[in-house]
Amino acid sequence: QVQLQESGPGLVKPSETLSLTCTVSGGSVSSGSYYWSWIRQPPGKGLEWIGYIYYSGSTNYNPSLKSRVTISVDTSKNQFSLKLSSVTAADTAVYYCARDRGTEYDRNFDYWGQGTLVTVSS
Amino acid sequence: EIVMTQSPATLSVSPGERATLSCRASQSVSSNLAWYQQKPGQAPRLLIYGASTRATGIPARFSGSGSGTEFTLTISSLQSEDFAVYYCQQYNNWPPLYTFGQGTKLEIK
Repeated sequence: QVQLQESGPGLVKPSETLSLTCTVSGGSVSSGSYYWSWIRQPPGKGLEWIGYIYYSGSTNYNPSLKSRVTISVDTSKNQFSLKLSSVTAADTAVYYCARDRGTEYDRNFDYWGQGTLVTVSS
Repeated sequence: EIVMTQSPATLSVSPGERATLSCRASQSVSSNLAWYQQKPGQAPRLLIYGASTRATGIPARFSGSGSGTEFTLTISSLQSEDFAVYYCQQYNNWPPLYTFGQGTKLEIK
């Protein structure tokens, strides 16, 4: 059974960089069959895809966040990570990591972490 | 960017009855649509992909239909555990972008 677990600070100051790590167990980030995504959900609101990474290091980001996002992968630790710079209160959200499956034209998320709340506040 | 619009925002249905949730895309997404269920304090759970294929372990009372711009999630006989928020999601392959609907809250009538 694949499991994903987010970790990182729950409180980040405005203008600083949010950093989270997702540890994968029961599966490998080196599998060529999947991408590995970050998704967020502001309190009481809907879901927003942030970006994904492939085991090779290839990435794609949501254009609305692209200038501030970096996703990286560490295959030796079976982890992938998110950095979001210059955060504001609008970045307060539950951040999820998820396994991204599917075909070239139809992709979706079949395994998710439990989510971690990150609050941006001084 | 393709916009996904779900209706209604809230749906009140009695246990044992059928629930029908809608999702509309601002342009055709073919059959590249997924549905998720989210309960309070939990991560979303994949129910349906490819518009109509149930994900592993999903009960047969959940079914998806539609193509192009109009999609439906039907829950044939509501169980107590089905009351939750449901999201649709599409994927656009170039440039790569995943977008979700705003959600439909299914509540007990």
